[in-house]
Amino acid sequence: NAGVTQTPKFRILKIGQSMTLQCAQDMNHNYMYWYRQDPGMGLKLIYYSVGAGITDKGEVPNGYNVSRSTTEDFPLRLELAAPSQTSVYFCASSAGHSNQPQHFGDGTRLSIL
Amino acid sequence: GNSVTQMEGPVTLSEEAFLTINCTYTATGYPSLFWYVQYPGEGLQLLLKATKADDKGSNKGFEATYRKETTSFHLEKGSVQVSDSAVYFCALLYGYSSASKIIFGSGTRLSIRP
Repeated sequence: NAGVTQTPKFRILKIGQSMTLQCAQDMNHNYMYWYRQDPGMGLKLIYYSVGAGITDKGEVPNGYNVSRSTTEDFPLRLELAAPSQTSVYFCASSAGHSNQPQHFGDGTRLSIL
Repeated sequence: GNSVTQMEGPVTLSEEAFLTINCTYTATGYPSLFWYVQYPGEGLQLLLKATKADDKGSNKGFEATYRKETTSFHLEKGSVQVSDSAVYFCALLYGYSSASKIIFGSGTRLSIRP
């Protein structure tokens, strides 16, 4: 009953370091999403994917990259970490049809110092 | 364009009080509407949904009715509990399968006093 699994749960990076946030889902969903949630704010879409090999930019893609080589996995890459990227990152997946909800992971709390 | 506006928090109530969290939307076409709940330290969980006008979504004592005439999807609960303390997000899903997009409101923090 895993659903959407994100790793790590917490991470501290230094400015300029790089890292990959992992996301995996076991529901055979075509659609996957990455959001960031800043304190007291709603969610902002970073990137999304409608299927393996297909990705597209969301509202706030700068400073991030994604890939989707399999249906299950949708990693998010930060190449040069900046303090403005301190946030909580959520991965989500959905069946993709117009009335299907998104299922969320528990989030990765990332601090850039 | 499409948007979601929900009442600002925080909202503080006593246990067993009646709850309303307002949500209004702007959209072209016929979006689906959702309420998500986020407990401390966790991701968002779907609370309820409605996919067409006049539908009522319900779950765990919460209800919301899709009102197309007022473009609203207000969340209600007759008697809240301390365990309902969380952040609640209204969301709108629009578009067709290959281009479906979801927009979240900014969230409303709810605190229930014993």
